[in-house]
Amino acid sequence: QITLKESGPTLVKPTQTLTLTCTCSGFSLSTVGVAVAWIRQPPGKALEWLALIHWTDEKRYISSLQSRLTITQDTSRNQVVLTMTNVDHVDTATYYCAHRVGHWNDAFDIWGQGTMVTVSS
Amino acid sequence: DIVMTQSPDSLTVSLGERATINCKASQSVFHSTNNKNNLAWYQQKPGQPPKLLIYWASTRESGVPDRFSGSGSGTDFTLTISSLQAEDVAVYYCQYSFDTPCTFGQGTKLEI
Repeated sequence: QITLKESGPTLVKPTQTLTLTCTCSGFSLSTVGVAVAWIRQPPGKALEWLALIHWTDEKRYISSLQSRLTITQDTSRNQVVLTMTNVDHVDTATYYCAHRVGHWNDAFDIWGQGTMVTVSS
Repeated sequence: DIVMTQSPDSLTVSLGERATINCKASQSVFHSTNNKNNLAWYQQKPGQPPKLLIYWASTRESGVPDRFSGSGSGTDFTLTISSLQAEDVAVYYCQYSFDTPCTFGQGTKLEI
């Protein structure tokens, strides 16, 4: 059974760096075809894809936030980490990590429960 | 980047009636690499993460009731709920699902 679980701070101050961890189980980040994404959702708003990391360690980012985002994976711990620098109140959102369906299919079949992050001084 | 636009923004349908949600892509989501229309549909209930319903425009995810169906090709797609049940009240999103950025539509709120 595949599960993903997000963890990280619930409150960060403006200009600080946010670090979120996605702990994956039921699959290996090293398996061919595997990819994990981070997706966020501001309160009452739509989903926004942020970043994706492949089993090859290839990384992709949303262009509007590329300078502030870093996605990495620790295959020994089966974790995916998202770092966002210089956060602002507009970054207040629920952050989800999600498992990609498979190679050549970037739909997301398994999602974590999400972690709510508030940016406030 | 491909922009996904859903219509309507909100929809009220009676129990047992058909619900139809549309999604239009700013350019074709068909790719010859996988020979698929790369469009996914999700259902999100309050306080829950999204749930994948449909991928490749019309392939139902395992366990999804067959009252949910997807259709369309190229740039125009439709999610149909054939007979609305009370538990179908949710926000529905379409998503471009080939390569990145994996853009989502703005969502359609479905009510009874």
